[in-house]
Order: sequence, then structure tokens, then C-alpha cells
Amino acid sequence: GAVVSQHPSWVICKSGTSVKIECRSLDFQATTMFWYRQFPKQSLMLMATSNEGSKATYEQGVEKDKFLINHASLTLSTLTVTSAHPEDSSFYICSAQGVGEKLFFGSGTQLSVL
Amino acid sequence: GESVGLHLPTLSVQEGDNSIINCAYSNSASDYFIWYKQESGKGPQFIIDIRSNMDKRQGQRVTVLLNKTVKHLSLQIAATQPGDSAVYFCAENIENAGNMLTFGGGTRLMVKP
Repeated sequence: GAVVSQHPSWVICKSGTSVKIECRSLDFQATTMFWYRQFPKQSLMLMATSNEGSKATYEQGVEKDKFLINHASLTLSTLTVTSAHPEDSSFYICSAQGVGEKLFFGSGTQLSVL
Repeated sequence: GESVGLHLPTLSVQEGDNSIINCAYSNSASDYFIWYKQESGKGPQFIIDIRSNMDKRQGQRVTVLLNKTVKHLSLQIAATQPGDSAVYFCAENIENAGNMLTFGGGTRLMVKP
């Protein structure tokens, strides 16, 4: 099946720093990418939907200035957690979909903010 | 620190037995359903999907059953193996309304050797 690469897989940072997470579709063009957040022992919660070349659509309660999403090409979307704080510690997962394709997930990024 | 959240329901089965994981969905307009497997520290992995014009679909060792009347979905795993131990999520979608998936709460499957 199609491959979605997410990087980094684990990041530990100090409170106040910004962290960028990359999501790449390796063998298909992803017209739409989704970003999810998952707390321990909970389900995935959709944060935002991004279409290539346009602004992301954020779910209710997700701060767009806090979680910056860029989808500048058909193979790359980035999520930047700005001025991260301990409450932002979570598992972040991206998924990508091309035209006529199923949805494929990245391997996730565990963010730990000290 | 770690968030305090809901504990996932757990299904514990003996290796070799069949497993049935259930999921109730809420949106009667949903017409596409997917089961995902998520191992610890990894992203969800597609297992099987079904569209609302079907009530059963079989894959390799897995079967998905859809009951639209009661909005219920189940995943059956035959001859469960230790490698099947994971958290299983169902997801629902309205295909013509974009590709946003709504995930269920998840079930942890533990396979005893």
C-alpha cells in the first residue's frame, strides 16, 4: 500500500520552544492531509484538514495560531506546535489521501514538552 | 504530565480463538466504515473497510459486519494470534462530504498465548 512518512517519531523539548512535524506521502500525491491528536488510551481527535495550496480548516477548539499547518506541496504537510507547553504533550498523527486513494496514516510523533 | 482519560475497554482472548470487536456509530448518514489497528506508539493501520450498500465483507482472517438498522459495526478476527494484540478503532465517514473520518473510542485486544 501507499506509504506516509512522519518525522520525527519522538521529540522532547523545553516549554516555550516550537516544534515542527513533517508528513510526507512517498509514492502518491496527497491532495488532502489530516492532522490528529491522540492522548493516552484515547481515540484520535481530528485537529485540522489541509488541502494542497490552501489554508487549513481547523476543528472547533483547535487554535490555528498555536498549531500552524502548511501544505505547500502535494507530498508534504507540516504541523508546527508554536511555543509548546506541557499540556501540548501528546501523540500527533497525520494521514494523507490522494484522488481515488484510501486514507493512509503516518507512524505518529510523540511530543513531550518539559 | 500524562493526561487522565478514559480507559479503553479490553477484550482478552486465548490464542487461536476467534475475536469479535464491536463498534456503535452515531451518524445514520455515514456510508463508509473502516477498521484500523493501532499498535503502541504507532499510527493506525488499515485493516478492512465496508460501504453501506453491503452488510458483510471478508478479508484474510478478518470479517466486518455492518448492521445499519442499529448502527452497529463489528470486526471478527479468526484464529487470533499474539500479533493481533493492539487497539482497534472503527471509523465512519460520509464519502461525498469530504474525507473526514470520525473515530470510535477503540478497543484493546489482548491475546494470551
